[in-house]
Amino acid sequence: NAGVTQTPKFRVLKTGQSMTLLCAQDMNHEYMYWYRQDPGMGLRLIHYSVGEGTTAKGEVPDGYNVSRLKKQNFLLGLESAAPSQTSVYFCASSYGWGADQPQHFGDGTRLSIL
Amino acid sequence: AQSVTQPDIHITVSEGASLELRCNYSYGATPYLFWYVQSPGQGLQLLLKYFSGDTLVQGIKGFEAEFKRSQSSFNLRKPSVHWSDAAEYFCAVGAPEYGNKLVFGAGTILRVKS
Repeated sequence: NAGVTQTPKFRVLKTGQSMTLLCAQDMNHEYMYWYRQDPGMGLRLIHYSVGEGTTAKGEVPDGYNVSRLKKQNFLLGLESAAPSQTSVYFCASSYGWGADQPQHFGDGTRLSIL
Repeated sequence: AQSVTQPDIHITVSEGASLELRCNYSYGATPYLFWYVQSPGQGLQLLLKYFSGDTLVQGIKGFEAEFKRSQSSFNLRKPSVHWSDAAEYFCAVGAPEYGNKLVFGAGTILRVKS
């Protein structure tokens, strides 16, 4: 049982390039999330989805777009990468809606923007 | 809005010694409280959670945490640390009115001396 799988694991981009991070979960979870992790700041929510075809903004959505075309996949896009987007990106999913629902995390994507 | 403070950025303990990681939160009522651990190169793994009831909760890997309402704290403890416990630990808070959105502390990096 793979859980939450993120691809790629590492990527280096040049400023202005675009890319898409893929998150896939095999737990039939309804809810999915994208976070970024920066030193000394913990994890901050970028976007989230409450179901197939739906997305919503989190705490730090600027510069990112997301899509949830299939229930098991949640894509995070950077249209024009900036050095400030250098970070480790984590995808998570949860079964239910509510603050008491534990979130299951992938292993992260380390992204560097030069 | 709720917030989470982990006062210690780094903690170093000797193998076999006891451990306490501090977490303080700011929220009007009793939130849902979580501790996650992140091993190097890995995603976040849920250690334990508190929603209500007994204020001392047991988690995986021999960890426990105690909720103290009067101090707005949810400190993580382990009686005897093992070298494999070296990792980064995150406290997180959820509240019903914020849906599934978790607020994370900045994290505490634990180093274990042999």
